[in-house]
Formats: sequence, C-alpha cells, structure tokens
Amino acid sequence: DTGVSQDPRHKITKRGQNVTFRCDPISEHNRLYWYRQTLGQGPEFLTYFQNEAQLEKSRLLSDRFSAERPKGSFSTLEIQRTEQGDSAMYLCASSLVGPTDTQYFGPGTRLTVL
Amino acid sequence: RKEVEQDPGPFNVPEGATVAFNCTYSNSASQSFFWYRQDCRKEPKLLMSVYSSGNEDGRFTAQLNRASQYISLLIRDSKLSDSATYLCVVNWNDMRFGAGTRLTVKP
Repeated sequence: DTGVSQDPRHKITKRGQNVTFRCDPISEHNRLYWYRQTLGQGPEFLTYFQNEAQLEKSRLLSDRFSAERPKGSFSTLEIQRTEQGDSAMYLCASSLVGPTDTQYFGPGTRLTVL
Repeated sequence: RKEVEQDPGPFNVPEGATVAFNCTYSNSASQSFFWYRQDCRKEPKLLMSVYSSGNEDGRFTAQLNRASQYISLLIRDSKLSDSATYLCVVNWNDMRFGAGTRLTVKP
C-alpha cells in the first residue's frame, strides 16, 4: 500500500501523559499536513511542512503541541501533558506542490484522554 | 461568520433521487476548491476538484460561483453507497474544511 500511513491507529492515555504520533506520507509528496477532527466537525488544520520546513502553524496549536519532519519524509506530532479536550482524531495528509495541491489523507490516529 | 459553511443536514433521500449540497466560503482570495467524502470513522477521501467552469464526473457535478463565493455538488441517481458525509474544502494558504453535510440514501 503506497498511501499515507499513520501509527498508532488508536491511543488511550491518562491525562497529563505525553503522546507521540507518526505519519508516513506518500513517498514523492513534499507537503505534509496535520489536522484534528472531533465528532460532527470537519478536520481543523494544525500545521504543515514543505519538505523539512514547518511553514505554518494554526493558532489552535498550543505550546503543548509540537510537530517535526526531520528529514522531509515522515513526521511526528507530540502532545505534552495531554488534556481531556485533546481527545480527537488526528489526521495526516500529504500532497505534491502544484496547481491544485490535492491532499490525500491517512487513516488517522484516534486519541482518547481519560 | 465561519470560513467555510455547509448545511449540516442530514439529507435523507430515496435511491435514484437527485440531491444538491451548497457551501459558502468567506475568503475571496481562495484559490482552489474540492469536495471530499468521509465515511463514518474513516478518513476523508477526495471526491472531486471544483473548477471555475464547472465539472462533471459520472453522476457528480460540481459548480463554483466566485462572485457569490459558493460551491455546489449535485448527485444524480443516488445510490445506497453514496451515503456519507460530504466535506466542502477551500484552499488559501491552507485547506479549510466545512463541517460536512450528511447524506443517507435509503432503499
């Protein structure tokens, strides 16, 4: 399967713990995006990378959240000191820079904070 | 005003019906437009891009009206398998998603 992959698919953690998610984009894609989605809402943009550079961060992304894409391939999203409000589906998408910049999504990581 | 607004539905239609969804967006500098489909507890998947001149893909027709800042999606001869949430997506700097319109097609 050459699509976007995410790991883990599900994560249950206790409030206050740190969690890290991984995303592997489609291999030739140079842009990688992170979104958060809660029930009944569309995905909310968090941040994106072009190659290894983090080009934009949403104001939704508090200082407890950090994302990296060290070699311009896979990316990690870390949440420190998790809160119950962080419970959501975290989606990763990738695209190839071009006229339409169409994004393709991974299956997501569902986070539950107890 | 939300950046991308959609009627949340739900739309409940019989098989074979024609159904239309609208979406409005606030940023006139938006550059590209898409419809994504999302099945329950799955990731969004691209349904179609929306071009200025309008475009059709089988039973699906998308229209863009830049002057009024809205996008539409028309589904003809709806199938049971069309049941899903349809997300309107507008791109300026980054992708902005609507909350989605839920469609249920019934036998």
